[in-house]
Amino acid sequence: DAGITQSPRHKVTETGTPVTLRCHQTENHRYMYWYRQDPGHGLRLIHYSYGVKDTDKGEVSDGYSVSRSKTEDFLLTLESATSSQTSVYFCAISEGQGAEKLFFGSGTQLSVL
Amino acid sequence: GESVGLHLPTLSVQEGDNSIINCAYSNSASDYFIWYKQESGKGPQFIIDIRSNMDKRQGQRVTVLLNKTVKHLSLQIAATQPGDSAVYFCAESQARSGGGADGLTFGKGTHLIIQP
Repeated sequence: DAGITQSPRHKVTETGTPVTLRCHQTENHRYMYWYRQDPGHGLRLIHYSYGVKDTDKGEVSDGYSVSRSKTEDFLLTLESATSSQTSVYFCAISEGQGAEKLFFGSGTQLSVL
Repeated sequence: GESVGLHLPTLSVQEGDNSIINCAYSNSASDYFIWYKQESGKGPQFIIDIRSNMDKRQGQRVTVLLNKTVKHLSLQIAATQPGDSAVYFCAESQARSGGGADGLTFGKGTHLIIQP
């Protein structure tokens, strides 16, 4: 998966608890993205980063925050998880020279009970 | 808002036949298009891409056609094999004037089923 590692691969948590998902890349790519995938909605962009400490919101950013303190790591945090955030979360990277292809990680299956 | 969509949610083809998966987009400013394949339990995998200055691009057993007049994109898979069974997504983006991109906007996917 193009040098992208997501952790954990699976997580079950309870409503109201904080959750952090990690994405680690070894490609030294500038751009990193967090998507969620749900039946009937496809892949939707949550947040993205265009450099260290540079992030921006995507289509479905409410309830999520991100941080990027190093080029290789992009963290997604659910401050207080809700059942509607049960989903499969994918991290993606790109070189960011222009509109171009993203490379995806293997995903994290998150269940909020 | 504008979005990318697919004509059919499921496509069933015989092994060895050619497959054609269609995609309509509505954002006339989109200038980059891409197809992904996603197998069960895995992340999307890049298949082929095309920029708006082209109308056709070929890869290994795959061809992408872009018709900007009617805002239509298609993926053709030649001699479909059992390993082609997957969900296929089209996606589009628009380059930002300062470089880089805000990510891809995805369609909802078509499930390609290969029958023996």
